[in-house]
Amino acid sequence: NAGVTQTPKFQVLKTGQSMTLQCAQDMNHNSMYWYRQDPGMGLRLIYYSASEGTTDKGEVPNGYNVSRLNKREFSLRLESAAPSQTSVYFCASSQGGDSPLHFGNGTRLTVT
Amino acid sequence: QKEVEQNSGPLSVPEGAIASLNCTYSDRGSQSFFWYRQYSGKSPELIMFIYSNGDKEDGRFTAQLNKASQYVSLLIRDSQPSDSATYLCAVTGSGGSNYKLTFGKGTLLTVNP
Repeated sequence: NAGVTQTPKFQVLKTGQSMTLQCAQDMNHNSMYWYRQDPGMGLRLIYYSASEGTTDKGEVPNGYNVSRLNKREFSLRLESAAPSQTSVYFCASSQGGDSPLHFGNGTRLTVT
Repeated sequence: QKEVEQNSGPLSVPEGAIASLNCTYSDRGSQSFFWYRQYSGKSPELIMFIYSNGDKEDGRFTAQLNKASQYVSLLIRDSQPSDSATYLCAVTGSGGSNYKLTFGKGTLLTVNP
């Protein structure tokens, strides 16, 4: 039982490059989330998917897109990376409603 | 913008002491409250959740909630060096946003042997 799996663990991009962060959960959870964590800023919600087939913006969605591919998978895409997107990205899932979140191990992204 | 406030610390306590971590929130309609622990370079892991006013105990950890004061706290008894980490308070939104968690910036706890 892997829980929430994120790939890759580390990535370095040049400004303007694109990439997709992958996330999959095997807990049969309904809701999935993408957060970014920056020093002094805490965890901030980028996008979330309350259930399969739905996505919605969080606190800091600009520069990102998401796809809820199926119940298990929720990907985050950076179309044109900027240095301001240097961060640690966490995917999380929950049963839904006000259930606790379960986090993946994170992706450390550096944009130069 | 809903806010969750925590003292950033660092909070330093000796081994065996009680560590007290505090959190206030702005959304009076929030119903669910969570404490996560995050070791340096790792992902957040759930320690406790509390939904009702009062205290909830789990081993060495006690969560306390006072919705009238919009205040939630975490007490760690018999603190151990392995408890040294950043503790994140998280609060759900109200109404239709109840599945959106807002996190505080965290309190760094150091337990000294």
